[in-house]
Amino acid sequence: EDKVVQSPLSLVVHEGDTVTLNCSYEVTNFRSLLWYKQEKKAPTFLFMLTSSGIEKKSGRLSSILDKKELFSILNITATQTGDSAVYLCAVWWYGNKLVFGAGTILRVKS
Amino acid sequence: ETGVTQTPRHLVMGMTNKKSLKCEQHLGHNAMYWYKQSAKKPLELMFVYNFKEQTENNSVPSRFSPECPNSSHLFLHLHTLQPEDSALYLCASSQRYYGTNEKLFFGSGTQLSVL
Repeated sequence: EDKVVQSPLSLVVHEGDTVTLNCSYEVTNFRSLLWYKQEKKAPTFLFMLTSSGIEKKSGRLSSILDKKELFSILNITATQTGDSAVYLCAVWWYGNKLVFGAGTILRVKS
Repeated sequence: ETGVTQTPRHLVMGMTNKKSLKCEQHLGHNAMYWYKQSAKKPLELMFVYNFKEQTENNSVPSRFSPECPNSSHLFLHLHTLQPEDSALYLCASSQRYYGTNEKLFFGSGTQLSVL
């Protein structure tokens, strides 16, 4: 069964800390991996990764994919309270399915 | 603002009621999706419409009935729901639905409570 596993399930950090969120997958015929940030209700797109070893970066957020080891990480440096959210990882595979993980709940304390 | 609008934001209904959720996208996309998000569970795909044609029905009970009159609008008609159907229902859209690395854009969801 195709699955996407995120860890940790939740974490609490202080402003200024750096966090690393993990996403591992067991998916048949992988195509791409997506990261979303869900504040309140609407998930908003962060990154799409298709190639191994190429870092995607946007401000304090960055992400990288390892297709050999079947995982991705999302890094957030110098965290702010506005980074508090649920971070979702999802994987497309050739069967036209987008499989989501259960998410990581991040809380940044001031 | 993601370009995908859902109404209502909150809905409380009894098990014998009939209600509908509405989704509209202003992105010029051709594919629209319904997802169910229950607490501490991954998003579950319910239905996919591609160019107004239903392409996925993920074994969803018949008490959920989707409708897609055009590429910009999507409805989810609800009747005789069960308390376990209480969840956040998210609508999403993408340029197309062929699994080739599409980015989905989500609405803010309808928080449904079934009493």
